[in-house]
Amino acid sequence: NAGVMQNPRHLVRRRGQEARLRCSPMKGHSHVYWYRQLPEEGLKFMVYLQKENIIDESGMPKERFSAEFPKEGPSILRIQQVVRGDSAAYFCAVGRREDTGELFFGEGSRLTVL
Amino acid sequence: EDQVTQSPEALRLQEGESSSLNCSYTVSGLRGLFWYRQDPGKGPEFLFTLYSAGEEKEKERLKATLTKKESFLHITAPKPEDSATYLCAVPAVFYGGSQGNLIFGKGTKLSVKP
Repeated sequence: NAGVMQNPRHLVRRRGQEARLRCSPMKGHSHVYWYRQLPEEGLKFMVYLQKENIIDESGMPKERFSAEFPKEGPSILRIQQVVRGDSAAYFCAVGRREDTGELFFGEGSRLTVL
Repeated sequence: EDQVTQSPEALRLQEGESSSLNCSYTVSGLRGLFWYRQDPGKGPEFLFTLYSAGEEKEKERLKATLTKKESFLHITAPKPEDSATYLCAVPAVFYGGSQGNLIFGKGTKLSVKP
């Protein structure tokens, strides 16, 4: 979806390295959702952020994962000390309007951990 | 615990052969059921929202219906371009949270052969 830009589209990291995934929502949207899609598994909610605030992080792993959405610039999903199990597609999304499950998803960032 | 189950996992149809996909859910207080389409290597694309039993929504060859325990996505006279994975989702129950925190099923992978 052209309204939600994600980069990089593909990222390769070795075990122990850090991965940073970026998401820039369309103008006028001050919130983002991050989802993860593991191979052979469904999409899983990770975190919901508004500018400078984490609203819902109930899906975030307790360690190594963090997310931010600063006042200026894209939202960042950061994975420290990556492991092979982190290999997945990570999607960013915005709501079509406030407080809705009707989401616009980006094309995703595909992380491969060697 | 909230659950969303989709069946079948995969469905192969001949062009023009109508069929239905199933999504059953167990949630405490349904706040909408959402259907998405996902093409390989892409982010999910929103299709429909259903809020109450008996509700129906249509778009081209697709019609979504909702009962108290399940939803169906009916595909009439499908074409090869309808080939995709179809996902259904419901909002997670989260006090004060956003409806964008969705619980997704694992999807039905539809293949339509010419």
